[in-house]
Amino acid sequence: GQQVMQIPQYQHVQEGEDFTTYCNSSTTLSNIQWYKQRPGGHPVFLIQLVKSGEVKKQKRLTFQFGEAKKNSSLHITATQTTDVGTYFCAGTNSGYALNFGKGTSLLVTP
Amino acid sequence: ETGVTQTPRHLVMGMTNKKSLKCEQHLGHNAMYWYKQSAKKPLELMFVYSLEERVENNSVPSRFSPECPNSSHLFLHLHTLQPEDSALYLCASSPSQGPTDTQYFGPGTRLTVL
Repeated sequence: GQQVMQIPQYQHVQEGEDFTTYCNSSTTLSNIQWYKQRPGGHPVFLIQLVKSGEVKKQKRLTFQFGEAKKNSSLHITATQTTDVGTYFCAGTNSGYALNFGKGTSLLVTP
Repeated sequence: ETGVTQTPRHLVMGMTNKKSLKCEQHLGHNAMYWYKQSAKKPLELMFVYSLEERVENNSVPSRFSPECPNSSHLFLHLHTLQPEDSALYLCASSPSQGPTDTQYFGPGTRLTVL
């Protein structure tokens, strides 16, 4: 079945440093979604990418969808302590079920 | 507040107990989901309901029994669980079961099986 792999599993950065998490699928995805889960919280939708090569920005966050629609990345510029949490990618191919990656846990120290 | 509520927020139960988790969505969505979130594992989709009909059951053991009486409510009935079933159980809803629909998650029920 479809698998969505995410790396790294953990990332610890100093406030102000950049951060990137990568998502890779074994199959072509029809779309990819990104979610953020704060410690003790629940996943909250951030963004969806649908088109090959698509790039979207939300303030300091930049999301990319690969040309082959098999990979995606989330880049945070100049991290802040409010960025702490686990970032999940989730993709679908032919079905309707979202397949979530294991997530990347980001820790930001001041 | 995401419009999806779950009760109880915390539950401790013995292996012989029977309990139920409740999820309610106030968003007018037609699809609802149960996920299991364990440490060091990805979110595991358990069940999908669309317009009150179960459309997916991801090989979930029969000790978990879902129920969707209407499009706003979803239950997960638990009986004779195992300690490895301890996890955060998340409910989610989406406008439809389409692959591009955003899922809105509830706060989850933290389940501990003794």
